Amino acid sequence: AQKITQTQPGMFVQEKEAVTLDCTYDTSDPSYGLFWYKQPSSGEMIFLIYQGSYDQQNATEGRYSLNFQKARKSANLVISASQLGDSAMYFCAMGRGSRLTFGEGTQLTVNP
Amino acid sequence: EAGVVQSPRYKIIEKKQPVAFWCNPISGHNTLYWYLQNLGQGPELLIRYENEEAVDDSQLPKDRFSAERLKGVDSTLKIQPAELGDSAVYLCASSPRRGSYNEQFFGPGTRLTVL
Repeated sequence: AQKITQTQPGMFVQEKEAVTLDCTYDTSDPSYGLFWYKQPSSGEMIFLIYQGSYDQQNATEGRYSLNFQKARKSANLVISASQLGDSAMYFCAMGRGSRLTFGEGTQLTVNP
Repeated sequence: EAGVVQSPRYKIIEKKQPVAFWCNPISGHNTLYWYLQNLGQGPELLIRYENEEAVDDSQLPKDRFSAERLKGVDSTLKIQPAELGDSAVYLCASSPRRGSYNEQFFGPGTRLTVL
């Protein structure tokens, strides 16, 4: 069975600073994908970044980067230069094939 | 390109009443998902369609929940009868193909309140 753990129910960061959101996972499958989604108060889940289990380099997408440590089974999201619009729920998810398993999320608040 | 469309956005019903949610995926997306999201939790898969075939419905409570995707495009999720514990957000998502990398595009969800 696959399991995703996000241990930070809430995080606060000052505008323009960097923040790391933690995610650990558990799976016995050698091939899997790791995803991060953002969910603002409007409710829509917005895809941010993807990391494949065989990818050698950490994924980056603009201000988002994924710190992938396979041996530790962690896939932390790093947001650089936080903006007020980054305030939202952030979900880590693990996928194998077409099935995604989500964590419980971290509520990020960016303070001006 | 239009995103995933869901309606209604909000629904309030009395317990034991039926309710239905509608989803129109992104054009050309063969895979469609229905998720349940309880307050403060991540989404949980209810059912996945590949075209018109339900290929993963192991998490769907079949005693009261049903879904259909006629013609492999739009989909409807139904609850009959609704219970208090069904109050949640129901999310629809679609993706263009199967595979190990499968980015899913989500709709805004339907927030159901059962009184």
